[in-house]
Amino acid sequence: EAQVTQNPRYLITVTGKKLTVTCSQNMNHEYMSWYRQDPGLGLRQIYYSMNVEVTDKGDVPEGYKVSRKEKRNFPLILESPSPNQTSLYFCASSLGRRGKLFFGSGTQLSVL
Amino acid sequence: AQSVSQHNHHVILSEAASLELGCNYSYGGTVNLFWYVQYPGQHLQLLLKYFSGDPLVKGIKGFEAEFIKSKFSFNLRKPSVQWSDTAEYFCAVQGDNDMRFGAGTRLTVKP
Repeated sequence: EAQVTQNPRYLITVTGKKLTVTCSQNMNHEYMSWYRQDPGLGLRQIYYSMNVEVTDKGDVPEGYKVSRKEKRNFPLILESPSPNQTSLYFCASSLGRRGKLFFGSGTQLSVL
Repeated sequence: AQSVSQHNHHVILSEAASLELGCNYSYGGTVNLFWYVQYPGQHLQLLLKYFSGDPLVKGIKGFEAEFIKSKFSFNLRKPSVQWSDTAEYFCAVQGDNDMRFGAGTRLTVKP
């Protein structure tokens, strides 16, 4: 089944403790992206990747890192999480840079 | 600056009422337009999309949207809503490198 898989689904952590949210797609998509969803703000793009080893900043990249060592994986790294990064995070992928986005199920992150 | 605006934050309708959700965008260049729906506790799912051609596009579950280039608008419509349409709806505009989303419109349909 074609899908985008994120883990974990829920995560509670404390300020400053490094964490990684994994994202994997099985559709051989070139384009992958991370969004955060906050009430009243919709989805805002954090980082995106056009292909392996190619990543670019979105609208809200501060405090986040990503890597794209393999085509299928696009992890989101928070080196030193802060409470303002408490949010719902979605990974998405598409075949090309223009096309329908397939979304993962989301990761609800709480930073205390 | 590139932006996507959804006019209504929360819409409450009774079943069988007609729906229209507004979406306007500001974007240079050629764009693709989307409406996504997020049911409670779920991820976003595509309702419909416009790339080119007929500006009136039909999507799943009886939804349709009309692209009006001169107004930079892509409004979502449904003639008769159902309780199961209760969800949050996001308009999205895709440029060369990114996809920007509106803030979302929460639709509540009363049985």
